[in-house]
Amino acid sequence: DTEVTQTPKHLVMGMTNKKSLKCEQHMGHRAMYWYKQKAKKPPELMFVYSYEKLSINESVPSRFSPECPNSSLLNLHLHALQPEDSALYLCASSQTTGPVLNIQYFGAGTRLSVL
Amino acid sequence: AQTVTQSQPEMSVQEAETVTLSCTYDTSESDYYLFWYKQPPSRQMILVIRQEAYKQQNATENRFSVNFQKAAKSFSLKISDSQLGDAAMYFCAYRSAPRDRGGSNYKLTFGKGTLLTVNP
Repeated sequence: DTEVTQTPKHLVMGMTNKKSLKCEQHMGHRAMYWYKQKAKKPPELMFVYSYEKLSINESVPSRFSPECPNSSLLNLHLHALQPEDSALYLCASSQTTGPVLNIQYFGAGTRLSVL
Repeated sequence: AQTVTQSQPEMSVQEAETVTLSCTYDTSESDYYLFWYKQPPSRQMILVIRQEAYKQQNATENRFSVNFQKAAKSFSLKISDSQLGDAAMYFCAYRSAPRDRGGSNYKLTFGKGTLLTVNP
């Protein structure tokens, strides 16, 4: 099973709202990733968690707050977003970030619209 | 820094025909991994095929095969017997291998993508 599950599939929020995106995997992977993808563009890495600890933040604004409560779950908390934050948010996981092939498996994403 | 270039923004192919998608990359590293991901309208990025740079043999997965030319830094994807379900955006991606010091081996560097249309 190479499934990464993301909820919700679609989300519409106002600029003053607080919402959260959820990502779950049961492959025993210890690395999890958040990507942002604009239409017809490649994914852009936002955050990397390794063994439940944030290892990489690609200079993402503080209105995006990631959380990894356990090895299977990854959240992205959203607050005071801007319309330009509207995008597809993809979650991915891999065994680790270490010295093996470490294929990243992706979820189907959450389509976020900020009004 | 590594870069990945996909020079074909869009391609089309007739059902049952063969199509080749181009990808070139720029790196100073000697060891790395290359991937082709497919993203259909359902949005999920699906791994199509992968290639370890130290392997000379080209990877194949059923109807999908690659032409890996390490010296030329080229990694093209060939889709044989194209099917309607192959219609998608295809991304070529590069990842450093840990034997190379420096850089970040977790990070996938993507090309801009090629939108493939399959005509019935």
